Amino acid sequence: EVQLEQSGGGLVHPGGSLRLSCAASGFTLRSYWIHWVRQVPGKGLEWVSRITTDGRTRFADSVNGRFTISRDDTRNTLYLQMNSLRAEDTAVYFCARDEGSGTPLDFWGQGTLVTVSS
Amino acid sequence: DIQMTQSPSSLSASVGGRVTITCRASQTITNSLNWYQQRPGKAPRLLIYGASNLKSGVPSRFRGGGSGTYFTLTITSLQPEDFATYYCQHGDSFGQGTKLE
Repeated sequence: EVQLEQSGGGLVHPGGSLRLSCAASGFTLRSYWIHWVRQVPGKGLEWVSRITTDGRTRFADSVNGRFTISRDDTRNTLYLQMNSLRAEDTAVYFCARDEGSGTPLDFWGQGTLVTVSS
Repeated sequence: DIQMTQSPSSLSASVGGRVTITCRASQTITNSLNWYQQRPGKAPRLLIYGASNLKSGVPSRFRGGGSGTYFTLTITSLQPEDFATYYCQHGDSFGQGTKLE
C-alpha cells in the first residue's frame, strides 16, 4: 500500500529552524517528484517546493533561500529543512508525490502542523 | 506564472442535488488540470486528472470537463460525504478553493 508518513512538526520561535520528514512506503521515493504544499488553517493550498527524480529542487519565492529539501534514499525519506522561520510560515505542511511535470499529485501525506510563535 | 481562478468560493446545495465549480487559467494549459477534494482535517484527495479523467475508485457522479483556459467540476446526486472543499490545480498553482456546504 502506498503511504506517505509525515513527522517533525511543532512549535518554534520566529527565526528558529525545524525539519519535516516524509517517509514513503509501498513505493520508491526517488522514482517520483515529491512536493511540499502548505495550508494556513482555514485557508487554501499553497505550493512550497519540490524535488525531481534527479534531485533538482525548486521553491516558492516566499521560502526561497530559507527552506531546503534533501532525500535519504536508504531510508526512503524526504526532508524539508526550514530555517529563519516567520509567523507567516505557520501552516499544515503536506508532502505529496507525482510522476513529473504535468502529472497530478496522486498520494498525499497526512500533514503536519508547524506553528511559528513567540 | 500561470494563475488559477476558481469560483464560486462557496456553494450551498442539498443531498441529491447537482453543482458545478469552475476554474479558469490565466493562459492556456490544454488539459493539464486536476481536481482535489479536501475534507476538514484531512489531506487533499485526487479526484480528476487531465481535466476529465476520473481517478480509480472515485464515484462516477464526479465529472470534469473543459480545456484551454476554462474547466469545470460537476458533482451530481450529491451525497453527504461530498460536502467538502474542492481545489483545482495546474503545476504549482492551486485555485482558491470552493467550499460546498
